[in-house]
Amino acid sequence: DVKVTQSSRYLVKRTGEKVFLECVQDMDHENMFWYRQDPGLGLRLIYFSYDVKMKEKGDIPEGYSVSREKKERFSLILESASTNQTSMYLCASIPDRGLFNEQFFGPGTRLTVL
Amino acid sequence: GQQLNQSPQSMFIQEGEDVSMNCTSSSIFNTWLWYKQDPGEGPVLLIALYKAGELTSNGRLTAQFGITRKDSFLNISASIPSDVGIYFCAGRLAGNMLTFGGGTRLMVKP
Repeated sequence: DVKVTQSSRYLVKRTGEKVFLECVQDMDHENMFWYRQDPGLGLRLIYFSYDVKMKEKGDIPEGYSVSREKKERFSLILESASTNQTSMYLCASIPDRGLFNEQFFGPGTRLTVL
Repeated sequence: GQQLNQSPQSMFIQEGEDVSMNCTSSSIFNTWLWYKQDPGEGPVLLIALYKAGELTSNGRLTAQFGITRKDSFLNISASIPSDVGIYFCAGRLAGNMLTFGGGTRLMVKP
């Protein structure tokens, strides 16, 4: 079974804090993604990475950065958290080749910024 | 980025009823995917569609890839309480990038 894990299920931070969200996948997938999910807006892509040390901006990268130092780990960083970054954050991974091109999702991290 | 219009936004139905939801786009897609998300969990793939006109079933679920490649629908027959959740459509044009719909929240009354 593909397993995508995220470091925290729930996180509460204060405005201005630096926040790290960690994602680890154990299936040797090349591609990893960070989404945020807000009611009525579906899933919006923040950043993705198709290889170690490679990253590409998604649709809403402002206020975020990412790090991919190892193939299995993709970190999302909020340099200075703001209240409008309160959201559910979902990590996903996908191999370069496979019968199905679906993305495998982690359980999500619900972040609240006070 | 591209947007997918998913409707309805929410549905409240009686157990045993059939359910239908759909997604439309102004752009064409090569692949349509349907996911279900349980409360507090990440989305899980239900059905993947790869060809225009394709009709695929997975148990009580049936999904179709529209002929125009701009739409897809998902039907759930004889709904049960565990069908509760949020259903997302997603379209893929090229590469590994997906565009998601806004979700349909399904509530089932026993």
